[in-house]
Amino acid sequence: AQSVTQLDSQVPVFEEAPVELRCNYSSSVSVYLFWYVQYPNQGLQLLLKYLSGSTLVKGINGFEAEFNKSQTSFHLRKPSVHISDTAEYFCAVIWTQGGSEKLVFGKGTKLTVNP
Amino acid sequence: DAGVIQSPRHEVTEMGQEVTLRCKPISGHDYLFWYRQTMMRGLELLIYFNNNVPIDDSGMPEDRFSAKMPNASFSTLKIQPSEPRDSAVYFCASSGTGRWNQPQHFGDGTRLSIL
Repeated sequence: AQSVTQLDSQVPVFEEAPVELRCNYSSSVSVYLFWYVQYPNQGLQLLLKYLSGSTLVKGINGFEAEFNKSQTSFHLRKPSVHISDTAEYFCAVIWTQGGSEKLVFGKGTKLTVNP
Repeated sequence: DAGVIQSPRHEVTEMGQEVTLRCKPISGHDYLFWYRQTMMRGLELLIYFNNNVPIDDSGMPEDRFSAKMPNASFSTLKIQPSEPRDSAVYFCASSGTGRWNQPQHFGDGTRLSIL
């Protein structure tokens, strides 16, 4: 069965430090990849997505992610975080094969940015 | 522009009662998604509609769950009878034509507690 693994459930960092949130998925057969952010008591917002083309994807709020097919990874990065980036981040993968599609979310990574 | 509107924001009820969650998607969006979020299972896609027609309900956990979309501006998710393990945050999301390559816009969720 398809699965999405976010290796770190919690990531604490200091303000202005770089951060990488990791996401791995179970197979690289035709996939679409997404990162969403969730602030407390709110729904999810799309940060960025990979559908095809360049493997480096830039999103909102200075985030970017790189699709690595051989490693079946889609790690999220930001070179310098702000306090306001404190939130939970979800990786989502859609597998498409033979006309069927399957969407799976990772369990999320709570990013805490400390002053 | 109004976003996705969900009601109620909070619902507390006793097991065995019928629960109805409501969603108003963004005007013009033709895809509507229902999700459930729990600590144990993370975010799960329950069902989604295209042009008011259910496309994939494979994520609906049991027959106690049902969803309808009588028109383009309204959808309901019903649980009858409700059980304590149904306690979760339920999100509705909508997107425009393109299903997966358009961003999903999430509501703020309904926090459901079954006693």
